[in-house]
Amino acid sequence: DAKTTQPTSMDCAEGRAANLPCNHSTISGNEYVYWYRQIHSQGPQYIIHGLKNNETNEMASLIITEDRKSSTLILPHATLRDTAVYYCIVSARWGSARQLTFGSGTQLTVLP
Amino acid sequence: NAGVTQTPKFQVLKTGQSMTLQCAQDMNHNSMYWYRQDPGMGLRLIYYSASEGTTDKGEVPNGYNVSRLNKREFSLRLESAAPSQTSVYFCASSGQGKEGYTFGSGTRLTVV
Repeated sequence: DAKTTQPTSMDCAEGRAANLPCNHSTISGNEYVYWYRQIHSQGPQYIIHGLKNNETNEMASLIITEDRKSSTLILPHATLRDTAVYYCIVSARWGSARQLTFGSGTQLTVLP
Repeated sequence: NAGVTQTPKFQVLKTGQSMTLQCAQDMNHNSMYWYRQDPGMGLRLIYYSASEGTTDKGEVPNGYNVSRLNKREFSLRLESAAPSQTSVYFCASSGQGKEGYTFGSGTRLTVV
């Protein structure tokens, strides 16, 4: 699976959009981009995933560049409860077991 | 609520003791996983089970054994605990679709 690079930490003001970048320059054509978050040592929580098109759900939006070498997770109106470590992961496998490799992630702190 | 249930939530062991961490899911997922997370680090895969009756090693399998008891349950056993196994252990499961994993709330293990 492709390696990802994320900033170590970011701050965001409450109510503003949080934009979390991820570089995955070695991504293969069949690899998906997944985002998870982990709030204070709880189990990680799935947020969103995409292949090449932009995706949106009730939690966030995912913007993938046309060359697929980078992506941005957008939390449109960040709240204090969004303070967490956010992991960007690329993985090709589905159906059978997918070995998601978690890096160090980005610590997002939402400030009041 | 549907999800992944881990027991126990906390455990303290003496060096050399053995124990089994239990994990059960009620989402009819085929695949299950065990991860460990050391302080300030990302998750590392210990073992996984792609389907009932199969298990495979992940990134850090040494010192652990697993059993996929049935489709619902996947246990992790420490035969002779060592201080280096002090960690938070997360169980997860995934289905046939392209969506993500569902994680349990973790077992916090301390080996003294």
